[in-house]
Amino acid sequence: QKEVEQNSGPLSVPEGAIASLNCTYSDRGSQSFFWYRQYSGKSPELIMFIYSNGDKEDGRFTAQLNKASQYVSLLIRDSQPSDSATYLCAVSTGNQFYFGTGTSLTVIP
Amino acid sequence: SAVISQKPSRDICQRGTSLTIQCQVDSQVTMMFWYRQQPGQSLTLIATANQGSEATYESGFVIDKFPISRPNLTFSTLTVSNMSPEDSSIYLCSVGLVAGADTQYFGPGTRLTVL
Repeated sequence: QKEVEQNSGPLSVPEGAIASLNCTYSDRGSQSFFWYRQYSGKSPELIMFIYSNGDKEDGRFTAQLNKASQYVSLLIRDSQPSDSATYLCAVSTGNQFYFGTGTSLTVIP
Repeated sequence: SAVISQKPSRDICQRGTSLTIQCQVDSQVTMMFWYRQQPGQSLTLIATANQGSEATYESGFVIDKFPISRPNLTFSTLTVSNMSPEDSSIYLCSVGLVAGADTQYFGPGTRLTVL
């Protein structure tokens, strides 16, 4: 079992819709959770991090964490074509940092 | 965050040669890491670059193949030695700004092609 699992997609949503990206992790001791955005040919860019159960909002982005279910998600409201990218979920146990394989998102104008 | 630069941004190399990649940060950072990202794949941690001591390598990566230096808190190098086509990949430097904090920030990457 992989430490971090993501649906590889591709996920396609129309412009203006809500994109929902999901991630599960295997280590119950995981402490910190991150979402990175990676445009094609570019390096990963940190967009959100969350440590506590519940929701964390930053502009159009909302990260949701449920430690009991070992589940973290990223919602993108009012999706724009510029949001088209691969989104990487990352999890830290404090000793190790694990990346998922990423979900490819395409926002259709 | 920090401003991170890598040199070279890309290179094409011959089999059997070595390439040294540089990572420079505009401020002192506690943690520096080297990752590899093969085409269509996620990130794989090669090693943690430790200032003043030997790097800590992940399973499957060895010092003879990927020697790493970290002479100070703003600079590190990764060498890919005796290259083969299987080493073709993007190599990424990342930094953690504060000891004990997890957040990592990535440099722009070095795209390596081995012929």
